[in-house]
Amino acid sequence: RKEVEQDPGPFNVPEGATVAFNCTYSNSASQSFFWYRQDCRKEPKLLMSVYSSGNEDGRFTAQLNRASQYISLLIRDSKLSDSATYLCVVRMLGNEKLTFGTGTRLTIIP
Amino acid sequence: DAGITQSPRYKITETGRQVTLMCHQTWSHSYMFWYRQDLGHGLRLIYYSAAADITDKGEVPDGYVVSRSKTENFPLTLESATRSQTSVYFCASSDPTGGDYGYTFGSGTRLTVV
Repeated sequence: RKEVEQDPGPFNVPEGATVAFNCTYSNSASQSFFWYRQDCRKEPKLLMSVYSSGNEDGRFTAQLNRASQYISLLIRDSKLSDSATYLCVVRMLGNEKLTFGTGTRLTIIP
Repeated sequence: DAGITQSPRYKITETGRQVTLMCHQTWSHSYMFWYRQDLGHGLRLIYYSAAADITDKGEVPDGYVVSRSKTENFPLTLESATRSQTSVYFCASSDPTGGDYGYTFGSGTRLTVV
């Protein structure tokens, strides 16, 4: 079983819609959680950290469920510029290494 | 310019040749990492370094060598390139003392081994 699993998609969503991604992780010792965004042929960039209480940044909301070991990302009022691959990322307790999911590809359709 | 830079951006090399990918960061981050990204596998860790002269293997280290004589540089060498090493290589850095912000990546090197 992969340490971090994501639905690869693709998700094709009309502009203005709400879209949600889920990600599961296998190691209960995972401590830190992130969502990264990667545009085609570019480097991954940090979108947001995910906190236990859930957190919001504009149109983006991240949730963490430790009991079920999953992380979610919700994008409201989607824009064409949201088209990208979204990577779920976890870090183990006491370890600086990050483990990346394979990513979920999102395309926003005009 | 401040940041993390990789060179070259693109490289084509022949099977069996040695090739070195460069990574330079200006933040004095203690940690540096090398990942490769392939379709279907996502990002896989090759090697990482916690500080100058401290390096350790990641998930897929075979065929690669790293060194870190200075904090700011972390070159990755393919000793004898193989076609299976055709990939996009990303260097990243992080500073654990600066908060839990994940990594910052370089813009990548696209390597083709023919």
